[in-house]
Amino acid sequence: DVKVTQSSRYLVKRTGEKVFLECVQDMDHENMFWYRQDPGLGLRLIYFSYDVKMKEKGDIPEGYSVSREKKERFSLILESASTNQTSMYLCASSFGWTGDQTEAFFGQGTRLTVV
Amino acid sequence: AQSVTQLDSQVPVFEEAPVELRCNYSSSVSVYLFWYVQYPNQGLQLLLKYLSGSTLVESINGFEAEFNKSQTSFHLRKPSVHISDTAEYFCAVSVTAGGTSYGKLTFGQGTILTVHP
Repeated sequence: DVKVTQSSRYLVKRTGEKVFLECVQDMDHENMFWYRQDPGLGLRLIYFSYDVKMKEKGDIPEGYSVSREKKERFSLILESASTNQTSMYLCASSFGWTGDQTEAFFGQGTRLTVV
Repeated sequence: AQSVTQLDSQVPVFEEAPVELRCNYSSSVSVYLFWYVQYPNQGLQLLLKYLSGSTLVESINGFEAEFNKSQTSFHLRKPSVHISDTAEYFCAVSVTAGGTSYGKLTFGQGTILTVHP
């Protein structure tokens, strides 16, 4: 089974801190994604990566950056955490670009609280 | 840009009753369509998907969804629900261009299904 692992289930950080959320997948997937989940808004794409060192902005990239130095690892960085970034963050991966390859596999999520 | 609308934020039903969770999308190009389920304190799991071919797709636990291109809908149905179906359900669309989508998903707002005994 595909496994997508997020390093933390719960995080509490202070306003202004630099925050790193880590995600690792074990199935050699090409694509990796970071989503943010908020009640009533569903999931919104922050950034995605389709190859090592490649990244593309999603729908809500402001205040975030990402890093993909190795194929299996995709990091989300909050440069200076703010209270409006309190949310559930979900990492996902998919094998490729067509048909069944596009199925996304999700991690358990990281619930981040910024105080 | 594509968008996905789930018409009901919450759907309460009694056990063994039928249920329909509605999903409409807007896109002028070909799409892949998905339903994901999220149980409390867990990540999302794929429930079923439409990629091509038969417009009626089924999951292993009794859910089905029908792709209706003319109405741009992908409603999820189950003829008889169980307590264990209580969860949040998300409809998602991936736009394809020449068959390539990068797997980027646009999600609806989610529908919380609560099954009462």
